[in-house]
Amino acid sequence: ETGVTQSPTHLIKTRGQQVTLRCSSQSGHNTVSWYQQALGQGPQFIFQYYREEENGRGNFPPRFSGLQFPNYSSELNVNALELDDSALYLCASSHGQAASYEQYFGPGTRLTVT
Amino acid sequence: TQLLEQSPQFLSIQEGENLTVYCNSSSVFSSLQWYRQEPGEGPVLLVTVVTGGEVKKLKRLTFQFGDARKDSSLHITAAQPGDTGLYLCAGADMGRRALTFGSGTRLQVQP
Repeated sequence: ETGVTQSPTHLIKTRGQQVTLRCSSQSGHNTVSWYQQALGQGPQFIFQYYREEENGRGNFPPRFSGLQFPNYSSELNVNALELDDSALYLCASSHGQAASYEQYFGPGTRLTVT
Repeated sequence: TQLLEQSPQFLSIQEGENLTVYCNSSSVFSSLQWYRQEPGEGPVLLVTVVTGGEVKKLKRLTFQFGDARKDSSLHITAAQPGDTGLYLCAGADMGRRALTFGSGTRLQVQP
């Protein structure tokens, strides 16, 4: 069974640029959730994708957007990067939509905005 | 807004000592999950507790869900250096998509 994978591992971008992060879900899982974890904090929910549609969103602006593909992999896109977007971005996959389903996290992508 | 508060934020102990980490909220959760996260890695699920008053054991780790399903605790017996890491609690609310995470307890176990 393949676990959740994310790419790239690290990324450095300049303020105002755009970035795309990628996630492959665990085998058999149809739901992907994205979280932002700032240094010293717990993860904050960005949004969730189920059957290729956004299925719930946290308190993040529209410049955070995403996609889910037929194979359940997912992308997170962030436009007009700001310094405060520097964080660890985590992808989690699960077997269903509800948060009560056990979620399995990838290793994350460390984004630094300068 | 649902909030989960964890205490303590930091804990540095000697190998062999016991410790308890607390996770408290004013909100009721349908289930609560505990994770451990090591530097540069994603959180790894340790346990899920679902029923009020439930106690689960994972080797030297004991997890308890409060009777009212608003709080939880993690007790580690005879801590070892391998227990070092960030411990996160996360609450799930029926019908919501997102987990609500606490800010974490950073544990360091000195040999």
